[in-house]
Amino acid sequence: GEDVEQSLFLSVREGDSSVINCTYTDSSSTYLYWYKQEPGAGLQLLTYIFSNMDMKQDQRLTVLLNKKDKHLSLRIADTQTGDSAIYFCAESGYSTLTFGKGTMLLVSP
Amino acid sequence: DVKVTQSSRYLVKRTGEKVFLECVQDMDHENMFWYRQDPGLGLRLIYFSYDVKMKEKGDIPEGYSVSREKKERFSLILESASTNQTSMYLCASSLSGSNTEAFFGQGTRLTVV
Repeated sequence: GEDVEQSLFLSVREGDSSVINCTYTDSSSTYLYWYKQEPGAGLQLLTYIFSNMDMKQDQRLTVLLNKKDKHLSLRIADTQTGDSAIYFCAESGYSTLTFGKGTMLLVSP
Repeated sequence: DVKVTQSSRYLVKRTGEKVFLECVQDMDHENMFWYRQDPGLGLRLIYFSYDVKMKEKGDIPEGYSVSREKKERFSLILESASTNQTSMYLCASSLSGSNTEAFFGQGTRLTVV
């Protein structure tokens, strides 16, 4: 079945870059997503990448996709304390998304 | 903006009670979902619906049922609440198609005592 794996925790200092990694198993996934969840809130879509792309940049966010290795990463440049949250990787399936367990990003001043 | 609204932010119910969690979306989305979120387990899909009166089991449907009588509303029902159903419940909706970007409600934190 589909499975999405990501590390559970990442700690960085303000101003550094953060890289959150994710691996997935379904090679037929058309889209891959990154969601952000702030404390006490629902999930909010950050960005997504189509499976025939290998990179997508959106302001401070860079998504890299290695389709051969089924590896997805999210890089946040100049990380701020407001970026502290849980980040979920997700792959698209038939009408549904499969989520990883989430990576908690802690940004210290 | 897409809006997905869950009827309660916090609920406390007793073991054995029948519990209804309501979710409404205002963007005419075909698909609606119920997830539960638990520490260390991430999001797990309980049920989803791709059309009115249609439903599909997700990964953990046991102890739950759903109702979709109208396109904009998707209800999650706990027939007889148990303490192991204490969790954060998240509703989401999306359009049909290959780009299944999902929009989430703010979540309902349910405590069963």
